[in-house]
Amino acid sequence: SAVISQKPSRDICQRGTSLTIQCQVDSQVTMMFWYRQQPGQSLTLIATANQGSEATYESGFVIDKFPISRPNLTFSTLTVSNMSPEDSSIYLCSVMVSGNTIYFGEGSWLTVV
Amino acid sequence: DQQVKQNSPSLSVQEGRISILNCDYTNSMFDYFLWYKKYPAEGPTFLISISSIKDKNEDGRFTVFLNKSAKHLSLHIVPSQPGDSAVYFCAANYGGATNKLIFGTGTLLAVQP
Repeated sequence: SAVISQKPSRDICQRGTSLTIQCQVDSQVTMMFWYRQQPGQSLTLIATANQGSEATYESGFVIDKFPISRPNLTFSTLTVSNMSPEDSSIYLCSVMVSGNTIYFGEGSWLTVV
Repeated sequence: DQQVKQNSPSLSVQEGRISILNCDYTNSMFDYFLWYKKYPAEGPTFLISISSIKDKNEDGRFTVFLNKSAKHLSLHIVPSQPGDSAVYFCAANYGGATNKLIFGTGTLLAVQP
């Protein structure tokens, strides 16, 4: 497994502002993923962030809204830009350590007011 | 189009009895299945997984069964404990280069003392 730390754990944000979420892993991993869980919903993949390449976004998610950085094999950031109340969600960083198992961080709970 | 479905939004079980959580999928290309447990405002915790080449995998109190012909999997928890009370998500993986997880909508398990 892996120890995945996210900052901030929760925040209340003003409409129209941007917030960057940090994800730190205790081991080097190639594949990192960012998921979102909106209230009462399931988890949805936002993008895959592999070190050394541009992030790959899923349908419905764009780089201008969710820019991602992946500067090395243990760290990534996700920015939620120009936030609206619809962006209120738990944002989850995850990694694939071995095999096909994906492990998740504890999540960043964002509330946009 | 919901490719992974958990048709029971909630389940209540007595402590010490068996909990059975069900999951159906529609895409025959899925080759790896995982179960996660999630507490509110926390990230999902990996429980157990199964490859499509197997029909059963067991780890302590948790057993996952896969019926490929029916496109159905289930998670059995025996004996159930109050600490098992959480939302359980099943997820399916295409594998290959993407390693993208498709999540079900979750089942809230309540284990009554």
